[in-house]
Amino acid sequence: AQKVTQAQTEISVVEKEDVTLDCVYETRDTTYYLFWYKQPPSGELVFLIRRNSFDEQNEISGRYSWNFQKSTSSFNFTITASQVVDSAVYFCALSEGIGGSYIPTFGRGTSLIVHP
Amino acid sequence: DTAVSQTPKYLVTQMGNDKSIKCEQNLGHDTMYWYKQDSKKFLKIMFSYNNKELIINETVPNRFSPKSPDKAHLNLHINSLELGDSAVYFCASSQEGMAGIQYFGAGTRLSVL
Repeated sequence: AQKVTQAQTEISVVEKEDVTLDCVYETRDTTYYLFWYKQPPSGELVFLIRRNSFDEQNEISGRYSWNFQKSTSSFNFTITASQVVDSAVYFCALSEGIGGSYIPTFGRGTSLIVHP
Repeated sequence: DTAVSQTPKYLVTQMGNDKSIKCEQNLGHDTMYWYKQDSKKFLKIMFSYNNKELIINETVPNRFSPKSPDKAHLNLHINSLELGDSAVYFCASSQEGMAGIQYFGAGTRLSVL
């Protein structure tokens, strides 16, 4: 069965600090997809990134970067020079592309609080 | 235009009542979902539905039932509401089935008194 673990329940930083949100996953499949979503205080869930299991290239988008390592089954998310607007709950999610139950699994989320 | 819209945004009701939450997507996606988010922010998928198949999370009580009149709509019906049903319910849609990026509605906050 697939599983996603976000061990950090809450992280509190001061503006301009760098912060890394951890995500560790478990799956038996060789084909799968990993996602990060952001849920700001307003409540809606917003897609940030998707990676497939065959593409381990790290990705950078502005102040956001993602480090995908199959060897450690991790897909960590780093925010550089954090800002107050980054305050949100961040969810890591896993979806198996072949076999399995085809039901996406979300981690329990990491609440990031950025203080001015 | 809102991509995934769900109504109502807030729903307050008494135990034992039956209620529905509507969801519509205008993205042309082939798969729609319902999620439940509890007070601790845990997001659990309840249903996944495309024009071929309904996948039900086996832990969801049969008081909950999805109804899809067409590809762009997936409504959630809840019978005999219980206190534990209080949560935020999110509708979402995606293309490419489970590998697709999910677009979420704004959520419906259900309070059962």
